Amino acid sequence: AQTVTQSQPEMSVQEAETVTLSCTYDTSESDYYLFWYKQPPSRQMILVIRQEAYKQQNATENRFSVNFQKAAKSFSLKISDSQLGDAAMYFCAYRMEYGNKLVFGAGTILRVKS
Amino acid sequence: DAMVIQNPRYQVTQFGKPVTLSCSQTLNHNVMYWYQQKSSQAPKLLFHYYDKDFNNEADTPDNFQSRRPNTSFCFLDIRSPGLGDAAMYLCATSRDKRTGVNIQYFGAGTRLSVL
Repeated sequence: AQTVTQSQPEMSVQEAETVTLSCTYDTSESDYYLFWYKQPPSRQMILVIRQEAYKQQNATENRFSVNFQKAAKSFSLKISDSQLGDAAMYFCAYRMEYGNKLVFGAGTILRVKS
Repeated sequence: DAMVIQNPRYQVTQFGKPVTLSCSQTLNHNVMYWYQQKSSQAPKLLFHYYDKDFNNEADTPDNFQSRRPNTSFCFLDIRSPGLGDAAMYLCATSRDKRTGVNIQYFGAGTRLSVL
């Protein structure tokens, strides 16, 4: 069974600084998808960024980028120029190529200090 | 525009009293999911519908059931809620793509309290 591990329960970053959230996963599949979701307090979970395993190029979305290391099964999220609105719980998630089910990590609470 | 709508946002029920949570979507997605999320934990998939096809997770208790009368609506029924069922319940939808990226869109959740 696939598992997703987020080893940082909580992280803090100063406004305008850069922070990296870690995620590792375990799978025997060669093709799959990885996601970072953001869940602000009392608000809905939204997709931040996604990565297809067959793509070597790391995904980027504005201030958000990933470092995808397929051999190491690592998928970290880098947030540049952190803003107060980035404060949230961040979940790393995995999905097999064939299927609908997302497997989530335990989450990392990100606090942004002004 | 809200795309996945969950009602109510907060629900209080009594121990053992059946409760129904609802989810509707305007995305016309054919897959709908129910997750249980306990405080500061990862969402845990309970079951999902692929069109009218119901797919239960192996470890979902029998106490949890679901109905999907049409594409837009899906209900979560908890037959006899226990104190351990207090949680946030998240509904999500996706377009089914057996291959390719398949993004799930989440509702804001219903927080269930059991007294």
